[in-house]
Order: sequence, then structure tokens, then C-alpha cells
Amino acid sequence: KAGVTQTPRYLIKTRGQQVTLSCSPISGHRSVSWYQQTPGQGLQFLFEYFSETQRNKGNFPGRFSGRQFSNSRSEMNVSTLELGDSALYLCASSLWSPGILEGYTFGSGTRLTVV
Amino acid sequence: SQKIEQNSEALNIQEGKTATLTCNYTNYSPAYLQWYRQDPGRGPVFLLLIRENEKEKRKERLKVTFDTTLKQSLFHITASQPADSATYLCALIHQTGANNLFFGTGTRLTVIP
Repeated sequence: KAGVTQTPRYLIKTRGQQVTLSCSPISGHRSVSWYQQTPGQGLQFLFEYFSETQRNKGNFPGRFSGRQFSNSRSEMNVSTLELGDSALYLCASSLWSPGILEGYTFGSGTRLTVV
Repeated sequence: SQKIEQNSEALNIQEGKTATLTCNYTNYSPAYLQWYRQDPGRGPVFLLLIRENEKEKRKERLKVTFDTTLKQSLFHITASQPADSATYLCALIHQTGANNLFFGTGTRLTVIP
């Protein structure tokens, strides 16, 4: 079966701009989570969606937002980009509750560089 | 808040030996603990999951132990191979209604031929 697909793979944006990242989970998976990965902080949880509802949110400013569509595809948006937002953004899907029974399946990520 | 420490940032080991990686956590005990492998520029790949009432789990050359008294999990790779070189992440989830994994910062394993 197809894996988790994230687009685009690479992105360069200027400070102050906004960006939208996309994630298509594994077919049938209803839970989609987003993580930010940086060398200093590691993997940090952004938010999790299940059946179009945000169930949990990490400790990130309101500039970070997301949504999930009825086909389980998800997008995350970052507005007013800052240099510190440069990171690998990872999307992960699982069938039900995130990763409890079968672990997450991650995409390859979107590498965002803010200049 | 939960703190997870993988107390070796990097570990070098000779091919054929057993690699042992450590994951320690503070505060409340997780309901589940997972291990992932991550290669450069890629997303993590799920390896093993162990529940709080399980002491040990095995999968081929991999073994995970979970000691809730010590608040520690050990991850073993036996008969290590150069292809095992990667960063290994532990992650835990609490059965408190929170729906997210907390990840450690990872241990970069290098298996030397």
C-alpha cells in the first residue's frame, strides 16, 4: 500500500511569508499528526487530527495551524514565518489513536528553510 | 512535563557486536513505549512497541526491555551490521487521553565494518 505522502519535499520561504504543507495519510488511516524536527529540539509535537477534528495541540504559537479534510488528507499552515521555523516538518498517520497499537507511519517530511 | 533522555548522542560499535541503546524518562509512567529508526533526510520508521505491563519484546535481531521501576527502556540490536547505522528514537505515550507521542532526541548508531 502507498505510504504517507508529504508535499512539497523542499521549500524555501522568506521571513514574513506564509506556507502551507500537505500530507496524504495511508488509505484508511484517520489519525494524522504533525511534528517539527530540528537539530536542537528533536521531534516536537504540533497537533493531531482525527476525523477532521483537532484532538490535541502542542506548545506552539498560534501562527501554526492545521486542518484535516473528509478524506483524511491534512494541511498545516505557518503564517508570518520566522527564521526559527526552519525545520523538517513530519506528518504521521495511524489507524486509530496515534501509534498506540501499531506505531506511526511517517512521511519523508517537508524541509522548510526560511531566509 | 515529561522528559525523555537518550543518554548517548552517538554510539560506535564493531560489526557483529550487540548495540545497546538507553532511554530514560521522568515523571509519570507511559502506557506505551516505542522505538523508531531514522535515516538522514527521512521520516522515522516504527520498529517496536512495548506496553507498560510487558517486560520484553523481540523482533528478529531487535529486543526491547521496559523497566517501569527504573523508568528505563533498553533497545538491543544483536549481530549488528553496517546497515543498522542510523539514529534511533524512543517515544512514549501516556494513557491519559493525550493523543501524541513524546520523542527522545535520539542516539546516532554507527556500526563499523
